[in-house]
Amino acid sequence: KAGVTQTPRYLIKTRGQQVTLSCSPISGHRSVSWYQQTPGQGLQFLFEYFSETQRNKGNFPGRFSGRQFSNSRSEMNVSTLELGDSALYLCASSSSLGVAQSEQFFGPGTRLTVL
Amino acid sequence: SQKIEQNSEALNIQEGKTATLTCNYTNYSPAYLQWYRQDPGRGPVFLLLIRENEKEKRKERLKVTFDTTLKQSLFHITASQPADSATYLCALAVAGGTSYGKLTFGQGTILTVHP
Repeated sequence: KAGVTQTPRYLIKTRGQQVTLSCSPISGHRSVSWYQQTPGQGLQFLFEYFSETQRNKGNFPGRFSGRQFSNSRSEMNVSTLELGDSALYLCASSSSLGVAQSEQFFGPGTRLTVL
Repeated sequence: SQKIEQNSEALNIQEGKTATLTCNYTNYSPAYLQWYRQDPGRGPVFLLLIRENEKEKRKERLKVTFDTTLKQSLFHITASQPADSATYLCALAVAGGTSYGKLTFGQGTILTVHP
């Protein structure tokens, strides 16, 4: 079974721009969650999607949004980029709803650099 | 305020010894606790999940304990090998609210096993 894939792997943007990241979960997995990882803040939960609906959200501003398609693929969008948005963005999939009680399979991440 | 602390930023041990990593938390009542391994440039890999009503969980050379009185989880790797060198992350999820949809991660402990 193929793992979680994320595209692109690396991205460089400038302040004020917007960016869209993509995640394809493991086949059959309906839950997709997103995380931001930085050296200072560590790994932080952004949101979880299940069956095309956002089920839970972390403490991030509204500039961070996402969506999930009927095939469970998910996209994450960040608008009006700030320097502090530079991070590794990780996507994880799971076969069931609820990131806390189920094994999360992480992708390799997208490294976003904001200049 | 809520806090998760992993005992030390770095832990160095000799091959064959048991590595013990600590995850302490304050102002949480977690229902679940997970441990992940992360290698440089890669996404985290799920290792073990333990529930609040479980004292101990084992998987091959790995053992996790969960003491809700001490507010602490210990993660043990027995007969450690250089290939076990990685960053280990603990993650908590609290019960209630909008279900178990949020994982809060510790900063991680970098384990180095020397031959």
